[in-house]
Amino acid sequence: GENVEQHPSTLSVQEGDSAVIKCTYSDSASNYFPWYKQELGKGPQLIIDIRSNVGEKKDQRIAVTLNKTAKHFSLHITETQPEDSAVYFCAATMPTDKLIFGTGTRLQVFP
Amino acid sequence: DSGVTQTPKHLITATGQRVTLRCSPRSGDLSVYWYQQSLDQGLQFLIQYYNGEERAKGNILERFSAQQFPDLHSELNLSSLELGDSALYFCASSGGHKNTEAFFGQGTRLTVV
Repeated sequence: GENVEQHPSTLSVQEGDSAVIKCTYSDSASNYFPWYKQELGKGPQLIIDIRSNVGEKKDQRIAVTLNKTAKHFSLHITETQPEDSAVYFCAATMPTDKLIFGTGTRLQVFP
Repeated sequence: DSGVTQTPKHLITATGQRVTLRCSPRSGDLSVYWYQQSLDQGLQFLIQYYNGEERAKGNILERFSAQQFPDLHSELNLSSLELGDSALYFCASSGGHKNTEAFFGQGTRLTVV
């Protein structure tokens, strides 16, 4: 079926450490993988995305990697800061044009 | 500001009632998505429209319906409301071409009492 699994559900790190969130998608035809950050009381905000013809993409302290063979993609945040604390969602587009989200990871960065 | 506008921001209504949530997409975006987010839950895909036509459907209840109008704004209608329908309802818009970025509105918080 059309499914995106996301791990871990919660993640606590010390300020300055790295955080990694992993997702797995079900449909090998998926070819677009965005990541969203949702702060309390707000709508999800797109922070980075990757397309299937690229293996890695970086934007300052965040990076995303994609392994099409394994159907895995990951978000890496380096030098974490307290303002990185939020819920992060991965997503994948399905051939049916649906944009399906993972279950979310609550990241807490402690000063 | 994502450019996607949702109204109202908050809605409190009684069980059995019907409500309409409205979404104005970003200027130029042809595609509108609706999602439901229950307390501390993920984003459940409900339905997608592209240029007025239904494009994809998720686990949307029969009590729920949506449409996209010629001016591209969209409405989500929820009827025979139950307590369990209390949730945040998000609208997102994108250019509509495959694999383009989707931007979310701030959501409508629906409380059914």
